Amino acid sequence: EAQVTQNPRYLITVTGKKLTVTCSQNMNHEYMSWYRQDPGLGLRQIYYSMNVEVTDKGDVPEGYKVSRKEKRNFPLILESPSPNQTSLYFCASSSLGWETQYFGPGTRLLVL
Amino acid sequence: QKEVEQNSGPLSVPEGAIASLNCTYSDRVSQSFFWYRQYSGKSPELIMSIYSNGDKEDGRFTAQLNKASQYVSLLIRDSQPSDSATYLCAVNRGNNDMRFGAGTRLTVKP
Repeated sequence: EAQVTQNPRYLITVTGKKLTVTCSQNMNHEYMSWYRQDPGLGLRQIYYSMNVEVTDKGDVPEGYKVSRKEKRNFPLILESPSPNQTSLYFCASSSLGWETQYFGPGTRLLVL
Repeated sequence: QKEVEQNSGPLSVPEGAIASLNCTYSDRVSQSFFWYRQYSGKSPELIMSIYSNGDKEDGRFTAQLNKASQYVSLLIRDSQPSDSATYLCAVNRGNNDMRFGAGTRLTVKP
């Protein structure tokens, strides 16, 4: 089954404790992206990647890091989480640019 | 001004009616336009894309684009309770810059 998976689905952590949210896709897509979704603000792009070892900042990259060492994986790293990073995070992948993005199930993060 | 604006709703329509969802965008160089549906607690899924002025129909859904007015809309004919969801408008501004609206919540009442 073609899918994008994310782990963990729910995470409660404390300020400053480094965490990683994993994202994996099995569709051999070149493009992958991370978004956060907040009430009233919609989806905002954090980082995106067009291929292995190629990443770039999106709309709201501050406080986040990413890496793309393998085509199928695109982890999101929060080196020192803060409460304003409490949000719902989605990973997405697509081929041929951004025309049809497939979203993962989401990761709900609470930073205390 | 937000790059992509949508009325947050909720928009309530009776079953069988036409639901009309609207979206405006600020960047004239925007190239392609999308409508995503997001059920409560779920991830967004693409339902329509449109690239040129005019109408594009897919089943009960029609997307309309007017680049001069910087306006995109989605019409849902014969609305069903299963169409109750939040609808997100997305705009590709070029250079891999995707912007989403905050979404319009639609409720279809039986």
